[in-house]
Amino acid sequence: EPEVTQTPSHQVTQMGQEVILRCVPISNHLYFYWYRQILGQKVEFLVSFYNNEISEKSEIFDDQFSVERPDGSNFTLKIRSTKLEDSAMYFCASSHRGVLVGEQYFGPGTRLTVT
Amino acid sequence: AQTVTQSQPEMSVQEAETVTLSCTYDTSENNYYLFWYKQPPSRQMILVIRQEAYKQQNATENRFSVNFQKAAKSFSLKISDSQLGDTAMYFCAFMKPGGGADGLTFGKGTHLIIQP
Repeated sequence: EPEVTQTPSHQVTQMGQEVILRCVPISNHLYFYWYRQILGQKVEFLVSFYNNEISEKSEIFDDQFSVERPDGSNFTLKIRSTKLEDSAMYFCASSHRGVLVGEQYFGPGTRLTVT
Repeated sequence: AQTVTQSQPEMSVQEAETVTLSCTYDTSENNYYLFWYKQPPSRQMILVIRQEAYKQQNATENRFSVNFQKAAKSFSLKISDSQLGDTAMYFCAFMKPGGGADGLTFGKGTHLIIQP
């Protein structure tokens, strides 16, 4: 069964550094998303991406964040100048259009630790 | 803005029992989607069940079913014949009908523990 994959599974970085989290969505999906989950808290929407541009973003997704689909398979989240409070689990998700619209399939997540 | 409320931080039942997790939401939209996601200790988010608001029939997936009460804005999950592998965090989620561009709004989750 096709699945969303994410790399790395765990990333440790120093405060102020830039990180890039990578995702490979399910191949026939057209919508891509990033979410984050601070330990012990709920999952929060960051951004959605369709047709090579951002469709919607939350107030969390400020100028520190950017997303890109550099080729036909990868979808990346870049966090510039990381802060301690960026430590969280970051989930990528993807979905169809059509009758299954809205059914988002999540990757296993990348745990980001900022020290 | 939409809000999703899960009022049960933790629940514990014996294996084979039936358990119901509650979820309420607030929205001004008439059409939308509702979901239950399971997050086991591995922290992977797994879709359990979905419900379209325009459908009156409650969704079912094997041992999992929902009780969708649109007027009350309630969306509870029932797990029948609970199994040890059902132990996980369960998140209720809402999505506007934006054609797929909208993000999910999650509740804070319910930690379900199935006791042997």
